[in-house]
Amino acid sequence: RKEVEQDPGPFNVPEGATVAFNCTYSNSASQSFFWYRQDCRKEPKLLMSVYSSGNEDGRFTAQLNRASQYISLLIRDSKLSDSATYLCVVILTDKLIFGTGTRLQVFP
Amino acid sequence: GAVVSQHPSWVICKSGTSVKIECRSLDFQATTMFWYRQFPKQSLMLMATSNEGSKATYEQGVEKDKFLINHASLTLSTLTVTSAHPEDSSFYICSARGRGYGYTFGSGTRLTVV
Repeated sequence: RKEVEQDPGPFNVPEGATVAFNCTYSNSASQSFFWYRQDCRKEPKLLMSVYSSGNEDGRFTAQLNRASQYISLLIRDSKLSDSATYLCVVILTDKLIFGTGTRLQVFP
Repeated sequence: GAVVSQHPSWVICKSGTSVKIECRSLDFQATTMFWYRQFPKQSLMLMATSNEGSKATYEQGVEKDKFLINHASLTLSTLTVTSAHPEDSSFYICSARGRGYGYTFGSGTRLTVV
């Protein structure tokens, strides 16, 4: 079983739509949680950290449920520029462990 | 902010040759360097972790004699793919961490072995 699992997608949504991504992690010792964004053939870039209390950054909302080992990302009012692969990431023994990524394609 | 410079950004080499990839932390001391590999449509897979001045720790299934990692200074780490074969073609990326700094990624190296 993979350490971090995501639905690979792709999710094809129109501009302005709300889209939600989910992620599960297998190791309860995972320490910290993040969402990264990766554009084609580029390095991943940190989108936001994820906390149990939930956190919001503009159109993006992230949530962590430690009991069910589940992480979510909600994107509201999708823009064309949101098209990318979204990677769920956990820190385990100081290492960043990446999920398989979920591809998002926003169309006009 | 913290910057990690990775070179080359892309390289094409013949089967059987070796390729060296460099990652330099430009404005901080990278006490730990992580090396990842990403095949098309797959996620980043951690290959190895190196601490400055120590031997690298390799993840299960990664051949340490094939992927040589050197982290001799606090600002430079190298990954050498020895006797490269077409199945080694991939996107290789480093991530550096230093005291007071989080995980900073290099821009990646696209290796094609022909």
